[in-house]
Amino acid sequence: GAGVSQSPSNKVTEKGKDVELRCDPISGHTALYWYRQRLGQGLEFLIYFQGNSAPDKSGLPSDRFSAERTGESVSTLTIQRTQQEDSAVYLCASTLQGMNTEAFFGQGTRLTVV
Amino acid sequence: RKEVEQDPGPFNVPEGATVAFNCTYSNSASQSFFWYRQDCRKEPKLLMSVYSSGNEDGRFTAQLNRASQYISLLIRDSKLSDSATYLCVVNEGYQKVTFGIGTKLQVIP
Repeated sequence: GAGVSQSPSNKVTEKGKDVELRCDPISGHTALYWYRQRLGQGLEFLIYFQGNSAPDKSGLPSDRFSAERTGESVSTLTIQRTQQEDSAVYLCASTLQGMNTEAFFGQGTRLTVV
Repeated sequence: RKEVEQDPGPFNVPEGATVAFNCTYSNSASQSFFWYRQDCRKEPKLLMSVYSSGNEDGRFTAQLNRASQYISLLIRDSKLSDSATYLCVVNEGYQKVTFGIGTKLQVIP
């Protein structure tokens, strides 16, 4: 497809389990972003990739969270030992190289930790 | 100080009203600015870019004030369909894009 694709769209997991969330950005987009959005709240920045490197990981809330990107394409966000407070929508966005760049979002992964 | 600050609202306005939102940013080297719209339980989508000279798209006007480091969004003749959260977005260069938490607008019949 032409847009940003995220999978799964919904994930229910038990507390303590690990989860992997996937993002396929638009082809050719070098920058990729992960955000978290809790119900009724704003976007919370997690991590930003430029190519395969992550110049800014400052938003990752704890060492249970990690992310990687390979081939300047797909990215995975991994949450280990999930907690109930991890329940949120995880949004991925990508942008073209350049200064005046529109960010295109995927539809998100809704994570519920029970 | 947060990099991008917005009043979360909610702003409750009657149909037909004019409403304005401001957003302040802390990095004076920021290069480009945008307003995004997010509908309930949907992903954010670009509403409009904000140019130095200001720009208008129908009922929507966006302006940039570099000296005071804020951008604004003006919505005239509000419609029920304008009800959404409006996100201020700042590109600080090197593709680092920072989103504000959003301002919630509710247009009331």
